[in-house]
Amino acid sequence: DTGVSQDPRHKITKRGQNVTFRCDPISEHNRLYWYRQTLGQGPEFLTYFQNEAQLEKSRLLSDRFSAERPKGSFSTLEIQRTEQGDSAMYLCASSLLGQTTEAFFGQGTRLTVV
Amino acid sequence: AQKVTQAQTEISVVEKEDVTLDCVYETRDTTYYLFWYKQPPSGELVFLIRRNSFDEQNEISGRYSWNFQKSTSSFNFTITASQVVDSAVYFCALSETYTGANSKLTFGKGITLSVRP
Repeated sequence: DTGVSQDPRHKITKRGQNVTFRCDPISEHNRLYWYRQTLGQGPEFLTYFQNEAQLEKSRLLSDRFSAERPKGSFSTLEIQRTEQGDSAMYLCASSLLGQTTEAFFGQGTRLTVV
Repeated sequence: AQKVTQAQTEISVVEKEDVTLDCVYETRDTTYYLFWYKQPPSGELVFLIRRNSFDEQNEISGRYSWNFQKSTSSFNFTITASQVVDSAVYFCALSETYTGANSKLTFGKGITLSVRP
C-alpha cells in the first residue's frame, strides 16, 4: 500500500476554466475527506464521504465545487469556472471508520488560477 | 463551534535547543480528540500524535513530548534537542467524536519552525 495518492500534484489554469482533481485513498479505507489549505493557513474541511455517500459539506464548498466518490474507492473534486480565490492546496485524506486510527493525508494538489 | 489557536506563527531556534509549540483549543464537546501533524516542504501532513480527551497523561516519544492540560484547554508539543530535520510547519487539530475518532479535523493556523545548524 502506497498511501493516499493525489493527481495531479500541480495544476495551473486560467480563470474561468474547469479543473478536476483525483484522490486514491488507502485501500479498504471507507472514509475520505477533502480539505483546502491556503498560504499561511491550516487545512479547512470541505467535505467527506463514507463509502460512496457524501455525508457532509462545508459552507466553503460553493456550488461551483462538486465532489464524487462513485464506487466508494477513488474520489474526484471538480471546480467549475475557477476564480483566483480558488488558488490553494487541495488535500485528500482517508481513514477507516470504527478504528481508532488517524486520517492519512496525501501530498495534495496545488492549484494556481491565473 | 470548535476552534484551535496556535498563537505562535514562526519560531527559529539553533540546533540542539529545546522548543515548545503551544496549542489552545475550544470545544463544547465533552469527548474529543486532539492531534499534532507535521507538514514538511513536500506538503504531506504527517501524523505525530492523537490524544483522547479522557486521557490527560503526558506522552513522550523519543525527542517529542506532549503536555495535555484540560483545565487550560491546552495541548503543547515540545521537541527536545531540536534538529535541522525538524524544520517544518506544525499543526494542532481537534476532532469531534460523535462518530468516532475519524471525524473531520479543525486545524490551527500552524507554526513554522526553523532549526538552524
